[in-house]
Amino acid sequence: GQQLNQSPQSMFIQEGEDVSMNCTSSSIFNTWLWYKQDPGEGPVLLIALYKAGELTSNGRLTAQFGITRKDSFLNISASIPSDVGIYFCAGLENAGGTSYGKLTFGQGTILTVHP
Amino acid sequence: DSGVTQTPKHLITATGQRVTLRCSPRSGDLSVYWYQQSLDQGLQFLIHYYNGEERAKGNILERFSAQQFPDLHSELNLSSLELGDSALYFCASSPGTSVKETQYFGPGTRLLVL
Repeated sequence: GQQLNQSPQSMFIQEGEDVSMNCTSSSIFNTWLWYKQDPGEGPVLLIALYKAGELTSNGRLTAQFGITRKDSFLNISASIPSDVGIYFCAGLENAGGTSYGKLTFGQGTILTVHP
Repeated sequence: DSGVTQTPKHLITATGQRVTLRCSPRSGDLSVYWYQQSLDQGLQFLIHYYNGEERAKGNILERFSAQQFPDLHSELNLSSLELGDSALYFCASSPGTSVKETQYFGPGTRLLVL
């Protein structure tokens, strides 16, 4: 099946620093998504990417859909303590414009921000 | 608050037992998805229902089954439970089946099998 490799597994940074994480796939996805999960909560969508090469921002977050459609990255600028959590990339298969609904998730990046 | 509700929040049971997890999607959403999150497997897609019909299956065991009712709520049934079934089970919902629709996740049901 589809495999998503997400790195790094964890990051410990100081408040104010920029963060970068990425995902690579063994095969092509037509949609890339980035989620954040807080402890005891379900994942919350941060950014969705639908076209190869697309670069999308959401506040201090920026994500890109790789040209090969096999990778994506997420950047967080000027990190703050509330950025703490687990960040997941996810890929979505697509057939004829209809989603299979079958999100494939990366292993997650645990982000810790020291004040 | 995503608008997706799941009950119960926590469930503790014994091996061999059967449990039912319930999900109510956001108002107006016709699609319901079930996911399992465990330490060793991460987040995995289990099954997708749209307007009462099964649309896609993922890594769902034969001991597990799901259904979506006319009022659009969904239930995930887990039977002959094993220790390895201990996990967080999430449901998510979206309006339809378009790739551009966001899946909104519920808070999850934490299942512990002893």
